[in-house]
Amino acid sequence: NAGVMQNPRHLVRRRGQEARLRCSPMKGHSHVYWYRQLPEEGLKFMVYLQKENIIDESGMPKERFSAEFPKEGPSILRIQQVVRGDSAAYFCASSPAQGSGYTFGSGTRLTVV
Amino acid sequence: DAKTTQPPSMDCAEGRAANLPCNHSTISGNEYVYWYRQIHSQGPQYIIHGLKNNETNEMASLIITEDRKSSTLILPHATLRDTAVYYCIVRVEGYSTLTFGKGTMLLVSP
Repeated sequence: NAGVMQNPRHLVRRRGQEARLRCSPMKGHSHVYWYRQLPEEGLKFMVYLQKENIIDESGMPKERFSAEFPKEGPSILRIQQVVRGDSAAYFCASSPAQGSGYTFGSGTRLTVV
Repeated sequence: DAKTTQPPSMDCAEGRAANLPCNHSTISGNEYVYWYRQIHSQGPQYIIHGLKNNETNEMASLIITEDRKSSTLILPHATLRDTAVYYCIVRVEGYSTLTFGKGTMLLVSP
């Protein structure tokens, strides 16, 4: 049983480009969470999604960031017009029910140059 | 903001027990104590959680004081691979998000 799969592991984007981060939850998990870890800081919650629904986006920056979890396929975290301050590790977690049995992926490290 | 207080760093000799403390003096009656760890460059890993009774699993033991205002995570025989940042988190079970603080950087040395 594969764990939470995130890709790419490393992503380099120039300022102004778009970044797309993908997360495939564990089999049987329909709840997905995205967290961001800025350099030398702790993890911060961004958004919680179920299939086709955003449940809680209280941690998402108001502009340039969006997330989706379609009926088919992985969850996508999209960052438009990236800036250097977006450089961070982005972690996805999934669970079979709300808030229970969290499993994290290995993260995507975004570097904006 | 995190509702827990942990020492920023601790050292432990390989093979000895590592005892990581956590204060959560404002914990509510329906909040559980969770422990996660993050090994360098990896995603957080669940260790253990409990409400008021002591808990043990294959990774660690969790000791919660009777007044629930503090707890201790015990790694009985620390190895070099236990070097990581350990996070103590309190939350209502089933609540969707985890609020991470700065955690404790545990360094296990030979």
